Amino acid sequence: EAGVVQSPRYKIIEKKQPVAFWCNPISGHNTLYWYLQNLGQGPELLIRYENEEAVDDSQLPKDRFSAERLKGVDSTLKIQPAELGDSAVYLCASSPAFSGDLDTQYFGPGTRLTVL
Amino acid sequence: GQNIDQPTEMTATEGAIVQINCTYQTSGFNGLFWYQQHAGEAPTFLSYNVLDGLEEKGRFSSFLSRSKGYSYLLLKELQMKDSASYLCAVRATGYKLIFGSGTRLLVRP
Repeated sequence: EAGVVQSPRYKIIEKKQPVAFWCNPISGHNTLYWYLQNLGQGPELLIRYENEEAVDDSQLPKDRFSAERLKGVDSTLKIQPAELGDSAVYLCASSPAFSGDLDTQYFGPGTRLTVL
Repeated sequence: GQNIDQPTEMTATEGAIVQINCTYQTSGFNGLFWYQQHAGEAPTFLSYNVLDGLEEKGRFSSFLSRSKGYSYLLLKELQMKDSASYLCAVRATGYKLIFGSGTRLLVRP
């Protein structure tokens, strides 16, 4: 079974430029998550989708970050404009459902963003 | 507030046993997860505890005490490939997953 796919794996941009990350979850997984992970820290949730609906975006800095999951499958996370402090690894995860034991989350390899 | 504490780093010898502790204070509790993360790679699921007691999976075991807000991950017969970060994560109110900062384990020959 294919895992969570993310692209690109690495991205280097200058500050104030836009950037987008793409995620394709495990087939059949209804719930999709975007996390931010700083060096030496655990992942922090940015947004959670149930199918195409964003059900928890309380941690998403909405002035510059946006996300979409139009057909309830793959998702895109965008930053515009990027700031130096956005340098981090952006992880995507998916799970079959959002309650009970089926909530185990499976992570993609992440996109490492460097903002210069 | 939400607080999950783990040691920052641990060192152990190949073939030995190591225990990584995790204490938590969260608003609500609906289970605790352990993930392994090699440098530059995705976190991978290791174990899940929702009831008190020990869950064993091969060389890895995880223990939970809900009354003490405490869990540990036990790794037996350590191998060099076990060198990685180990993340403790609590599923809190609303089923939100809160991660600790991770414990970086170095296994030496």
